[in-house]
Amino acid sequence: KQEVTQIPAALSVPEGENLVLNCSFTDSAIYNLQWFRQDPGKGLTSLLLIQSSQREQTSGRLNASLDKSSGRSTLYIAASQPGDSATYLCAVGGGGNQFYFGTGTSLTVIP
Amino acid sequence: DAGVIQSPRHEVTEMGQEVTLRCKPISGHDYLFWYRQTMMRGLELLIYFNNNVPIDDSGMPEDRFSAKMPNASFSTLKIQPSEPRDSAVYFCASSLNSPTNEKLFFGSGTQLSVL
Repeated sequence: KQEVTQIPAALSVPEGENLVLNCSFTDSAIYNLQWFRQDPGKGLTSLLLIQSSQREQTSGRLNASLDKSSGRSTLYIAASQPGDSATYLCAVGGGGNQFYFGTGTSLTVIP
Repeated sequence: DAGVIQSPRHEVTEMGQEVTLRCKPISGHDYLFWYRQTMMRGLELLIYFNNNVPIDDSGMPEDRFSAKMPNASFSTLKIQPSEPRDSAVYFCASSLNSPTNEKLFFGSGTQLSVL
């Protein structure tokens, strides 16, 4: 079974700082990887979807990279803002026709 | 589109009672998923449907859990009888035409508390 790990579990940074969130997975035979944002008491919002044939995806201040061979993905957030405070989860799509989710990184951006 | 709609937002019930959670997926989406989120286990897939047909229910924890999708715009997840360990946030999600190759769209969830 695919195991997805996100480290650190929590991160606190001052506003304006660039930051990187990490995601690792055990089985490199994946179809894609998806990054989500979850606000307290809310559902998950998909931020970026990277197909297995791609190495990165960008949306605004967000950039996600994928290295299948090493079983790793990173989410880069540029010029962080207080509104970026949320929990970020990665999910790996692969065998079993389902996404396997990490437990998330809780991000706090301090004004 | 209003997105994936779940009801109720919160449900408090007593052990042994029947609980029914409801979901309306995004119109035109062929896949519907039910997830459960807890602090201990994170997000777990319970069951998913393709064109109203259950495809994989291997994540359903016990026979006390059942799910139906009578039509393309409605699904229910039922727990009967409920137990305190069922307390969690239950999410419904949908995707357009693949279980793993497209973005997942989540509802706001149902916070279930079983006393």
